[in-house]
Amino acid sequence: QTVVTQEPSLSVSPGGTVTLTCDLSSGSVSISHYPSWYQQAPGQAPRTLIYSTNSRSSGVPDRFSGSILGNKAALTITGAQADDECDYYCVLYLGRGISVFGGGTKLTVL
Amino acid sequence: QVQLQESGPGLVKSSETLSLTCAVFGYSITSGYYWAWIRQPPGKGLEWLGSIYHTGNTFYNPSLTSRVTMSVDTSKYEFSLSLTSATAADTAVYYCARQRSGNHLFDFWGQGTLVTVSS
Repeated sequence: QTVVTQEPSLSVSPGGTVTLTCDLSSGSVSISHYPSWYQQAPGQAPRTLIYSTNSRSSGVPDRFSGSILGNKAALTITGAQADDECDYYCVLYLGRGISVFGGGTKLTVL
Repeated sequence: QVQLQESGPGLVKSSETLSLTCAVFGYSITSGYYWAWIRQPPGKGLEWLGSIYHTGNTFYNPSLTSRVTMSVDTSKYEFSLSLTSATAADTAVYYCARQRSGNHLFDFWGQGTLVTVSS
């Protein structure tokens, strides 16, 4: 069974930069996995941030960016703000209609 | 603006079938997108359950294939989830979402509905 792994928790200082990663147990992440990223505030439905590796969804500020770093998908937040303190999930498309969520990263801004 | 609204029983007895419906507003359910179910157990991460096209073509999470069925009713602009033999492990907030067919993005989500499976 393919597993998608994210850092369980990360912290960043206000105004700082943090990178979250998304790893695939079966090999390297590539653009053909169409990496996407979602932000979830407590008690809320997820909000789409990034799709197709590095495209921002409508209304998402440009301090959120996506990329492939080495063999992982990555979400970088620059100029972190207090309301960025949320859970973040990546999703990878494995083909044949199958999508897999990562376990999520809890981001603390302090 | 696309809106999705989940509905169904908030409490299901163990071993029974969990059934939910998602109503789609503001967008044609037959217009080239997939429609997905995603769940989140309390305090845990998100899990994709499956996706369905308006033609009835389905893709299911391999770990749930034996228990999950999805259907779509284009006349009612809604799609449904059925999960048989429910256990406490199926207790979760269930979300429905629209999924783009090209880049597989879940771009619009419902607010979610909590389903508790009790013995």
